[in-house]
Amino acid sequence: GAVVSQHPSWVICKSGTSVKIECRSLDFQATTMFWYRQFPKQSLMLMATSNEGSKATYEQGVEKDKFLINHASLTLSTLTVTSAHPEDSSFYICSAPGGSRHPYEQYFGPGTRLTVT
Amino acid sequence: GDSVTQMEGPVTLSEEAFLTINCTYTATGYPSLFWYVQYPGEGLQLLLKATKADDKGSNKGFEATYRKETTSFHLEKGSVQVSDSAVYFCALTPRGNNDMRFGAGTRLTVKP
Repeated sequence: GAVVSQHPSWVICKSGTSVKIECRSLDFQATTMFWYRQFPKQSLMLMATSNEGSKATYEQGVEKDKFLINHASLTLSTLTVTSAHPEDSSFYICSAPGGSRHPYEQYFGPGTRLTVT
Repeated sequence: GDSVTQMEGPVTLSEEAFLTINCTYTATGYPSLFWYVQYPGEGLQLLLKATKADDKGSNKGFEATYRKETTSFHLEKGSVQVSDSAVYFCALTPRGNNDMRFGAGTRLTVKP
C-alpha cells in the first residue's frame, strides 16, 4: 500500500524558535496533501490543504503566517511552525489522497509530536 | 456541511466481549465512509472502508455496514482482544472531494 512518512517523529524546541516538519509520499505522487493537528485525547483537526505549485488553503482560524506550508514537489510538503509557543505543542499529522486507484481515501503519516518548552 | 458523529466513550470491555461503536453521518450526496484506528503514540491506520450504500467493510474481525437509510456506519467486533485497545475514529469524505471529516474518536480499553 501507499506509504507516507513524516520527519521528525518527535521534536522538542524552545519558545520563539521555528520548527520544520516534512511529509513525504514514498511510492506515489501527491499534488495535494493535508495537514492535521491533534490535541491530547481529541480528534484530528484539519489545518490546511497543501497544493503542489500553488499556495496552501488554510482552514478558518488557522494562522497562515504562523503555520507556513510549502509543497515543493510532488512527493514533499513541509509545515513550518514559526515562533513556536507552548500552546503550539501538539501532534501534527499529514496525509495524502489515494489518487485514481483509491479515490476519496487518504494515507496518513505516522505523525510528529511537537513539544515547545 | 458534511459531518460525522460518533459515540465518544471511553469504552471499557472485558476480553472476548462484543463491541459496538456507533457512528452516524450527515452529508449531501453519498460520501465514502471509513474507520481508522490509532494505537498509543502512533498515527492513524485505515481499519476498513465502504464507498457505497449497503457495502460492508471488514478487517481483523471488525465490520461496518454503510446504511443509507439510517445514515450510519457502526463498527462491530464479535470478540475483542486486549490488543484492540486503541482510539477508533469514524470518518467520511464527501463525494468528489478529498477533504476528510473525522468524528471525535472513541477510546477503547480491553481488559484481560
